[in-house]
Parts: sequence; structure tokens; C-alpha cells
Amino acid sequence: NAGVTQTPKFQVLKTGQSMTLQCAQDMNHEYMSWYRQDPGMGLRLIHYSVGAGITDQGEVPNGYNVSRSTTEDFPLRLLSAAPSQTSVYFCASIDVGGEQYFGPGTRLTVT
Amino acid sequence: AQSVTQPDIHITVSEGASLELRCNYSYGATPYLFWYVQSPGQGLQLLLKYFSGDTLVQGIKGFEAEFKRSQSSFNLRKPSVHWSDAAEYFCAVALYNNNDMRFGAGTRLTVKP
Repeated sequence: NAGVTQTPKFQVLKTGQSMTLQCAQDMNHEYMSWYRQDPGMGLRLIHYSVGAGITDQGEVPNGYNVSRSTTEDFPLRLLSAAPSQTSVYFCASIDVGGEQYFGPGTRLTVT
Repeated sequence: AQSVTQPDIHITVSEGASLELRCNYSYGATPYLFWYVQSPGQGLQLLLKYFSGDTLVQGIKGFEAEFKRSQSSFNLRKPSVHWSDAAEYFCAVALYNNNDMRFGAGTRLTVKP
């Protein structure tokens, strides 16, 4: 049981490039979320999903896309990276009791 | 607007001393309440949560938190801090939809020997 895994751990992009952050969980949780963490701002919700085929926007969705084709996977796409998207990104899945299980994070730098 | 406030950015306590970390929220209804801890370079770990019932909640690692509806607060406490408790602590709230979780800005705890 690996829990929530994220790849890559680190990534450097140039402005305007696109990329996908991968997230997978093996706990069969329906609910999954993406957050970004910036100094002094805690975690902010980007997008979330309540099950395969269903996604919704969180607090800061602009510049990001998500899809949920399977229960296990919830990738986050940056369409055209900007320096303001430099951050640490966390994926989480939520069990039926409401507890969130966080991945180890992806540290993204956009130059 | 919905918000979560952790008034203390950084707290320093001596090992063995008691600890209280503050959290206030502004929501239209009583939300679900959580405290998470994050060690440097790590993800977040759940310390405890409050959904309903007894307003004093016990968590892992000797932490507890008390929900006070009248004060819209959910403060985290520990009677005796250990050096290994040094970390960043986040309060979080969510309505019945646990996906839309909002976090406070965090409180960094330093423990002096």
C-alpha cells in the first residue's frame, strides 16, 4: 500500500512551457484534491474531484486543468507555466471519514 | 467570505512547556475542523479532527484541541512539548463537502532545549 504518490519530486520549467504533475492513490478513495503551498499562505485548493469523471474548481484554479478518468489517478496540468506558479504542489485523497492523505509534494520552479 | 486565521506566524516554547496554537474561522455554518502538522520537506499529517459531538478532541502525539462555537475557534494544545514537535502546524476547515478545505497560513513552532 503506497498511499498517495506524486511525480516528479522536482521540476524546473521555462515560462510558457506546459507539463503534467502526476498523482496516484491505491486506497480506492473517491475524493482527491490538488493544493499549492506558498510561504505565508498555507495550502490553497486548486481543483478537486469527487469521483471518476467529476471534477470541480477550488480556490485558485486559473492556469490549471485536471481530469479524472480513473479512481486511482488525478493529474494536474499546467497549460502555459508562469513564474507565479512556482510553488510546492500537494495531491491528497480523502477517506470516507474525511481524513486527507497527502502525497510527498512536487516542488516546481518556473523561470 | 470564508476564512481561516492563525494569528501566530511563529511561536517559540521551551521543551517541557505547554503549548497553545490559535485558530479562528469565519464560516456561515459550523465547519469540520482539522489540525495538520508538517515537518520540513514533508507532506502534511493529520493530528486531529472535529466533526461533531464532544468539543474537546484528542489526537495523535499527545495533542488535543477544543472547539468553541461562541468564539469560532479551534485551538490546539499540548501539555508538555517535546523537541520533536518542532514543525509547522496548519488549521483547516471544510464544510460538509470535505473537498473544499481551506487552510490557515500556518504557525511555525520552534522548541528550545
